[in-house]
Amino acid sequence: EADIYQTPRYLVIGTGKKITLECSQTMGHDKMYWYQQDPGMELHLIHYSYGVNSTEKGDLSSESTVSRIRTEHFPLTLESARPSHTSQYLCASSKQGADYNEQFFGPGTRLTVL
Amino acid sequence: QKEVEQDPGPLSVPEGAIVSLNCTYSNSAFQYFMWYRQYSRKGPELLMYTYSSGNKEDGRFTAQVDKSSKYISLFIRDSQPSDSATYLCAREGNTPLVFGKGTRLSVIA
Repeated sequence: EADIYQTPRYLVIGTGKKITLECSQTMGHDKMYWYQQDPGMELHLIHYSYGVNSTEKGDLSSESTVSRIRTEHFPLTLESARPSHTSQYLCASSKQGADYNEQFFGPGTRLTVL
Repeated sequence: QKEVEQDPGPLSVPEGAIVSLNCTYSNSAFQYFMWYRQYSRKGPELLMYTYSSGNKEDGRFTAQVDKSSKYISLFIRDSQPSDSATYLCAREGNTPLVFGKGTRLSVIA
């Protein structure tokens, strides 16, 4: 089982609140990713990082921001949550320099914004 | 055109059937191709990967890449109810993995 953790697993929150979704991995992976996935729908890459102090936006435009101050930690923040942010958020990591880019996924955070 | 195209299904088969899942891709520069499996309410996990063209077999699963037609396939033999999940193909390149939409498979006992 992959050593990548996400908290909280479920979050119900009101509109306008600031939230931070936590993601940590203990595998020493340099690369980390955030995906958004609605139930039964495809994965959308929203942010990724190839190392400390490196962050990039993904294919799907997102109002969230990320930071990478430590290798093992890649939190995602929504400054002002809206109902349109309701979704599942999946964090993943992979090893730099590997022959192929196996991504290990966390269990996800299911966010509901009322 | 999306880089990786995959029919989302859903696909429903009886237990014991042979399942064929397929994807097409657009960029010939891709080297590695992967299949991930995602159970309901869980994150995806790597099932198989293949490099370049050819077949790769792992138990009941066979992954196949045909670079001439830009076609990726996953075959599941003797399908089991525990194989019921969403299967996502993905391509490896110089940028983050690009996933297909995923095909939802149900194996009925």
